[in-house]
Amino acid sequence: EDQVTQSPEALRLQEGESSSLNCSYTVSGLRGLFWYRQDPGKGPEFLFTLYSAGEEKEKERLKATLTKKESFLHITAPKPEDSATYLCAVQAGGGNKLTFGTGTQLKVEL
Amino acid sequence: KAGVTQTPRYLIKTRGQQVTLSCSPISGHRSVSWYQQTPGQGLQFLFEYFSETQRNKGNFPGRFSGRQFSNSRSEMNVSTLELGDSALYLCASFAAQDTQYFGPGTRLTVL
Repeated sequence: EDQVTQSPEALRLQEGESSSLNCSYTVSGLRGLFWYRQDPGKGPEFLFTLYSAGEEKEKERLKATLTKKESFLHITAPKPEDSATYLCAVQAGGGNKLTFGTGTQLKVEL
Repeated sequence: KAGVTQTPRYLIKTRGQQVTLSCSPISGHRSVSWYQQTPGQGLQFLFEYFSETQRNKGNFPGRFSGRQFSNSRSEMNVSTLELGDSALYLCASFAAQDTQYFGPGTRLTVL
């Protein structure tokens, strides 16, 4: 059974204080690893897809990386508007089902 | 391009009733997946539809069912509602085996 574990569960940062979120996974036949951002009361918003170990993608202050066992979401110089829950999901095997981690709740303070 | 739309956005039902939720995918997307999100379990896969056919189903009881229409719009139905069915129900739309884009969700409260 596919498993995804995210850490930490919650993270509080000061504005400008860079950090990383972790997503470790156990799957058979990874086809893709996805990062989403979710604001309270809203649906997840797509950020990145990573397909193979060594791949990296960047968008504004966010950078996602992938190894054979885990993915990191690096947040550089965060701002209060980056506060949200960040979700990691994997797609494996032959189907399109996403298996999600429980998320990291990020709060960035002034 | 318009995003995924879900209706209604909020629903309040009582135990034993049934409910139908609707999802309109992004134009051109023929695949739809449904997920249940609760504080305790996170996001859990319900089912996936492509061209009116259910292609995959998660570990939910038979009270949870769905269908897809020829215009790719999808509905999910929950019969004999239980308190534990209170959740945010999310629909995701995608093209082939591509990234899944989520709608805003339907917040279901069962009293």
